[in-house]
Amino acid sequence: EAGVAQSPRYKIIEKRQSVAFWCNPISGHATLYWYQQILGQGPKLLIQFQNNGVVDDSQLPKDRFSAERLKGVDSTLKIQPAKLEDSAVYLCASSLDPDRANEQFFGPGTRLTVL
Amino acid sequence: EDKVVQSPLSLVVHEGDTVTLNCSYEVTNFRSLLWYKQEKKAPTFLFMLTSSGIEKKSGRLSSILDKKELFSILNITATQTGDSAIYLCATKNQAGTALIFGKGTTLSVSS
Repeated sequence: EAGVAQSPRYKIIEKRQSVAFWCNPISGHATLYWYQQILGQGPKLLIQFQNNGVVDDSQLPKDRFSAERLKGVDSTLKIQPAKLEDSAVYLCASSLDPDRANEQFFGPGTRLTVL
Repeated sequence: EDKVVQSPLSLVVHEGDTVTLNCSYEVTNFRSLLWYKQEKKAPTFLFMLTSSGIEKKSGRLSSILDKKELFSILNITATQTGDSAIYLCATKNQAGTALIFGKGTTLSVSS
């Protein structure tokens, strides 16, 4: 079974630039999560999708972050414009449904460095 | 506000030592507590605990939950250099639809 795929694996940009991350969840997984993990901290949920609808985006900084999952499969997370404090690993995870949040599978992450 | 607190934040031990990692939580409508190991990539699942006093064991790793005192411990016996990683503790959020993570404990095992 293929795992959660993410790209790119690494990205370096300058502050005020834009960046986008892509995630392809495990086939059949209706729920998709984006987490931000700053160095020295645990992952923090940014947004959760159920199919193509948003379940929880309460911790997403909406002035600069956006995410979509138009067809209920792949998802993109965008930052525009980036700030220094956005430097982090962005993890995507998926589960069969929200009730199985404890059975999430994580992708390898995208490490973003903002200079 | 739901929260998960881990201690210590970092730990350095020698191969062969036994370590205990701590996780305390305050969560409305507690359902389960999970432990993950994170090396350089994505977190990988270790244990899920739902009942007090029942130890989960996998090789040299074991974990137990105390729902009265709202904490869990993760034990690693006879540590090896391959155990060096960040160990994350998480619980489901109030709605039960996502995970809340602690900051993690960074374990370094020297040979």
